[in-house]
Amino acid sequence: NAGVTQTPKFRVLKTGQSMTLLCAQDMNHEYMYWYRQDPGMGLRLIHYSVGEGTTAKGEVPDGYNVSRLKKQNFLLGLESAAPSQTSVYFCASSHQTSGGEQFFGPGTRLTVL
Amino acid sequence: GEDVEQSLFLSVREGDSSVINCTYTDSSSTYLYWYKQEPGAGLQLLTYIFSNMDMKQDQRLTVLLNKKDKHLSLRIADTQTGDSAIYFCAAQGGKLIFGQGTELSVKP
Repeated sequence: NAGVTQTPKFRVLKTGQSMTLLCAQDMNHEYMYWYRQDPGMGLRLIHYSVGEGTTAKGEVPDGYNVSRLKKQNFLLGLESAAPSQTSVYFCASSHQTSGGEQFFGPGTRLTVL
Repeated sequence: GEDVEQSLFLSVREGDSSVINCTYTDSSSTYLYWYKQEPGAGLQLLTYIFSNMDMKQDQRLTVLLNKKDKHLSLRIADTQTGDSAIYFCAAQGGKLIFGQGTELSVKP
């Protein structure tokens, strides 16, 4: 099993450009999450999904959109990137939302110039 | 909103014990987790404790929970250089809330 994979690993964007981050999991997990990690701030939840075809906002959803067309994939989109979105993005998945371990991908380091 | 707080840095000598502390505000938290993040990698679950427990031991790791004070600690016995990493505390109530992470530096 590959677990949780993320593509790309690194990306540099100019302000105003768009991009999509892809997360894939092969554990048949229902729940998937997108976090951003910034120095001194821990992980903050951007959006999450409790199943195929469903998405919900997390703590910091502004400027991001997500889609979960297939159970194994969770996409994070930036329509018009801003320097404030420079961060490391982590995807995670879990079998259940409460009491279940979240499995994390290796992260995507995004820089917006 | 709910919050989880940790100190940002801890430095210890190899062979000593490390104690990383965490406080949380959500009294409905049922699960409390410790995750480890090595450089350039994602988070991996180290251990967790259910809120009706006050201690859990797993080899070199001991988790203590004071539910009254909403205080959680992770003790690593005989700390090794390979334990150098960022350690995140997380509390699961209605949501899973992460602390800022404690960077543990182990000096030989």
